[in-house]
Amino acid sequence: GDSVTQMEGPVTLSEEAFLTINCTYTATGYPSLFWYVQYPGEGLQLLLKATKADDKGSNKGFEATYRKETTSFHLEKGSVQVSDSAVYFCALTGGSARQLTFGSGTQLTVLP
Amino acid sequence: NAGVTQTPKFQVLKTGQSMTLQCAQDMNHNSMYWYRQDPGMGLRLIYYSASEGTTDKGEVPNGYNVSRLNKREFSLRLESAAPSQTSVYFCASSGPTSGPYEQYFGPGTRLTVT
Repeated sequence: GDSVTQMEGPVTLSEEAFLTINCTYTATGYPSLFWYVQYPGEGLQLLLKATKADDKGSNKGFEATYRKETTSFHLEKGSVQVSDSAVYFCALTGGSARQLTFGSGTQLTVLP
Repeated sequence: NAGVTQTPKFQVLKTGQSMTLQCAQDMNHNSMYWYRQDPGMGLRLIYYSASEGTTDKGEVPNGYNVSRLNKREFSLRLESAAPSQTSVYFCASSGPTSGPYEQYFGPGTRLTVT
């Protein structure tokens, strides 16, 4: 079945540091790929998405590129802020019922 | 526009008690979902409803039942709660207005079973 593997956290960075959170996937067919973010005490919010190979999703300074050859969708940001502290989930879907398969999540803490 | 709402926000149950978690969305979405979130395990799908009148099991359905009451509402019922069901429960929805395969999540219900 489909699966998503994320780098284990927690990740702690200083403000303005470069962020990479690795995500690789296993899926049949051509899944759509997503990054969701969960701020403390809240539900998940869609951060960015890519629906086909070589697409780059971007939002709020975050970027991720759909790499079919390496089955990866790594999340990057050039300069993190304290407000980026949250849990980040990589996810994919390809089923007709729009089911999402999530990774285990990566906790990011950004220190001032 | 409230999006996806869930009630209650917090609940403590004793083993064997029953309860229903409520979820409603006002985005005219066709599909609705129930997930549970446990530490280190991400979100796992319990049940989903692809459209009004249909429900299907997800990855971890045992111990739960669902009802798609109408297009807006999708409830999750625990008939006899067990400590293993201590978790945070999220409802989500998706549909033609949300773009391909995007899901919108509610704020969650934190359930403790003692």
